Amino acid sequence: AQTVTQSQPEMSVQEAETVTLSCTYDTSENNYYLFWYKQPPSRQMILVIRQEAYKQQNATENRFSVNFQKAAKSFSLKISDSQLGDTAMYFCAFMFHGSGNTGKLIFGQGTTLQVKP
Amino acid sequence: KAGVTQTPRYLIKTRGQQVTLSCSPISGHRSVSWYQQTPGQGLQFLFEYFSETQRNKGNFPGRFSGRQFSNSRSEMNVSTLELGDSALYLCASSRGGGGKNIQYFGAGTRLSVL
Repeated sequence: AQTVTQSQPEMSVQEAETVTLSCTYDTSENNYYLFWYKQPPSRQMILVIRQEAYKQQNATENRFSVNFQKAAKSFSLKISDSQLGDTAMYFCAFMFHGSGNTGKLIFGQGTTLQVKP
Repeated sequence: KAGVTQTPRYLIKTRGQQVTLSCSPISGHRSVSWYQQTPGQGLQFLFEYFSETQRNKGNFPGRFSGRQFSNSRSEMNVSTLELGDSALYLCASSRGGGGKNIQYFGAGTRLSVL
């Protein structure tokens, strides 16, 4: 069974600084996708970034980037130039790409990030 | 383009009752997935529907059921409510359901069971 672990329940960072959120996962599959979603107090889950496991290049979206280490099964999220609007709960998620497993995201327990002015 | 719409936003029910939640996906999306979010268990997958067929199911009792209509709108039903069913229920839509298709989430329905 696939599992996703986020070992940092809470983190804080000063505005404009950089913060890294950790995520590890466990799977025996080779073909999968990894995601970071953010859930602000409004509860709307928003996709931050996505990584395809067969791509070695780390995904980047503006101030957000990942460090994907497939052998170590690690998928950390780096937020540069943190902004107050980045305050949210961040979820790492995994989806195995295969028949019979459609539509199912497996989530970690989440990391609450607070950006301080 | 309108996002994923879930109704109602809040519900209060008593034990033993049943409840139906609705999810309207983004136009053109045919896959709808449902998740339960609680402080203790986190986010857990309930089931996924595509073209009116349930393709995938999580580990929830039979009291949790769903369906999808020809316009891709989906409903989730919980019968014989228990206190432990109090949760935020999220639905997400995507074009095809696989990992290459991003899931877009609604704002959720907060269900409280008294």
